[in-house]
Amino acid sequence: RKEVEQDPGPFNVPEGATVAFNCTYSNSASQSFFWYRQDCRKEPKLLMSVYSSGNEDGRFTAQLNRASQYISLLIRDSKLSDSATYLCVVITGFQKLVFGTGTRLLVSP
Amino acid sequence: ETGVTQSPTHLIKTRGQQVTLRCSSQSGHNTVSWYQQALGQGPQFIFQYYREEENGRGNFPPRFSGLQFPNYSSELNVNALELDDSALYLCASSPGPSGVLSSYNEQFFGPGTRLTVL
Repeated sequence: RKEVEQDPGPFNVPEGATVAFNCTYSNSASQSFFWYRQDCRKEPKLLMSVYSSGNEDGRFTAQLNRASQYISLLIRDSKLSDSATYLCVVITGFQKLVFGTGTRLLVSP
Repeated sequence: ETGVTQSPTHLIKTRGQQVTLRCSSQSGHNTVSWYQQALGQGPQFIFQYYREEENGRGNFPPRFSGLQFPNYSSELNVNALELDDSALYLCASSPGPSGVLSSYNEQFFGPGTRLTVL
């Protein structure tokens, strides 16, 4: 079983739609959780951290459920520029980032 | 831009050859991590260097080795290249490592080196 699992997609949505991505992790000792964004043929960039209380950054909302070992990302009012691959990332110890395979999002006009 | 640079941007090698990839970390950062990203996959942790010492390693064979220099730049060396080594190699720098009980230091990724092994 992979340490971090995501649905690879692609998710095809129209502009303005709300879309949600889910991620599960297997190591209950995981300490920190993040969503990264990766554009085609580019490096990953930190989108947001994920906290147990849930956190929001503009149109983006991240949630963590430690009991179910589950992380989510909600994007409201999708823009064309949101088209990218969204990587779920977990840290289990020393600064080793464990990435999921990523979920590809395609936002169409 | 993150200030993390990698060279070369692209590289083509044949099976059995050796390759050296280079990374310059962001100013003020003393920690460099290396990742391998195969097509359609997420990045996989290779190893991390902190102040010139290896500070953690992923599930990669010994033919993957590295160095960090006094200026905190780093090299990734891969010997006896295999076809499956074809991937995007990413380095990421951060202000310092974090242990289990300390806070996370954000890692800033370079643009990567795309290695093709024929």
